[in-house]
Amino acid sequence: AQSVTQLDSHVSVSEGTPVLLRCNYSSSYSPSLFWYVQHPNKGLQLLLKYTSAATLVKGINGFEAEFKKSETSFHLTKPSAHMSDAAEYFCVVSANTGNQFYFGTGTSLTVIP
Amino acid sequence: DTGVSQNPRHKITKRGQNVTFRCDPISEHNRLYWYRQTLGQGPEFLTYFQNEAQLEKSRLLSDRFSAERPKGSFSTLEIQRTEQGDSAMYLCASSPTFERAEGYTFGSGTRLTVV
Repeated sequence: AQSVTQLDSHVSVSEGTPVLLRCNYSSSYSPSLFWYVQHPNKGLQLLLKYTSAATLVKGINGFEAEFKKSETSFHLTKPSAHMSDAAEYFCVVSANTGNQFYFGTGTSLTVIP
Repeated sequence: DTGVSQNPRHKITKRGQNVTFRCDPISEHNRLYWYRQTLGQGPEFLTYFQNEAQLEKSRLLSDRFSAERPKGSFSTLEIQRTEQGDSAMYLCASSPTFERAEGYTFGSGTRLTVV
């Protein structure tokens, strides 16, 4: 079975400080892992993906995530938060069999000016 | 082609009425997916199509729900005899065949409110 747990439902950071959004996954197979961002009244946008290549994955807008198999984690980071980063972030797992994506419950990021 | 298009953006309906949503995927994408997102939750899988064939359905898709993709292009999702519990954002996504690991491209969704 596949699932993800996003450890924080809400994260607040000051503009210019680092961002850390935590995600742990469970998968019976070698997973593909993704982070999506959802701005208010907008569709889900793919930030980055891990598909069994390099464990440190770089995405758009300065975000990156590191796949750690021993910790079953795929945390999302950014060195310096920008006001435009305020949004809902979803960690997603997809097994190499089946066709579903399994979403976490989301982390709401607030950026304080 | 600017992405996945969903219509309408918003739908308010009375309980017991039928509603239909439309999704136009990216033209070269063979796979089309429907997800449902309720407030404070992540999207949950409903069903997916490979071309015109509906290959997988979630147990969340009750008998009141039906999805079609008759020509392998656009898709419709119909909900019959709507209930207040059907209120949610309905998301459509598409992806190229065999590119599941590349991720989906999502539409902006249709927000359904059942009153």
